[in-house]
Amino acid sequence: DAKTTQPTSMDCAEGRAANLPCNHSTISGNEYVYWYRQIHSQGPQYIIHGLKNNETNEMASLIITEDRKSSTLILPHATLRDTAVYYCIVRVAWVGRNQGGKLIFGQGTELSVKP
Amino acid sequence: SQTIHQWPATLVQPVGSPLSLECTVEGTSNPNLYWYRQAAGRGLQLLFYSVGIGQISSEVPQNLSASRPQDRQFILSSKKLLLSDSGFYLCAWSGRAGTDTQYFGPGTRLTVL
Repeated sequence: DAKTTQPTSMDCAEGRAANLPCNHSTISGNEYVYWYRQIHSQGPQYIIHGLKNNETNEMASLIITEDRKSSTLILPHATLRDTAVYYCIVRVAWVGRNQGGKLIFGQGTELSVKP
Repeated sequence: SQTIHQWPATLVQPVGSPLSLECTVEGTSNPNLYWYRQAAGRGLQLLFYSVGIGQISSEVPQNLSASRPQDRQFILSSKKLLLSDSGFYLCAWSGRAGTDTQYFGPGTRLTVL
């Protein structure tokens, strides 16, 4: 699985968009970009994932550059409850059935949403 | 909808004592199940995964073992805890394809004294 690079920490004002960058310059054509977040003392929460097209769901948007070497997670209207560590993970798109799929978590970005 | 439970939520155990952590999943059948540990810092490390009853794969050698006695039950055990076993233990489930999205439980905070 490719390595990802994220800023250690970021601040965002409540109500504004939070844009969290991730570099994955060694990503392969068959690897997805996944985003999870972890609020203090809780289990990681799945946010969104994509292969090469931009994706949007009820939580966030994922923008992947055309060369797929970087991506940005966008929380359109950040709230205080979005304060968490955000993890960008690259993982292979396919393994055989009945095989486990390991998620490799890095250090993530600690996002602080401030009033 | 699917739900994943872990218990206990917190646990304080003396060195050398046994350990049993339990994870159960509701609302799905034949899931893949995973045990991760989060020690100091923020990274998670995969310990075990299971693709079916009685089928356990270990990612790293350690003082722990895992078992899957039922389709939606995953147990993490140790015969004798070490100080280094302290950490935040997370169970996750996914669909049967190895690349399906993994969903995590609330975790168990283990402190070994």
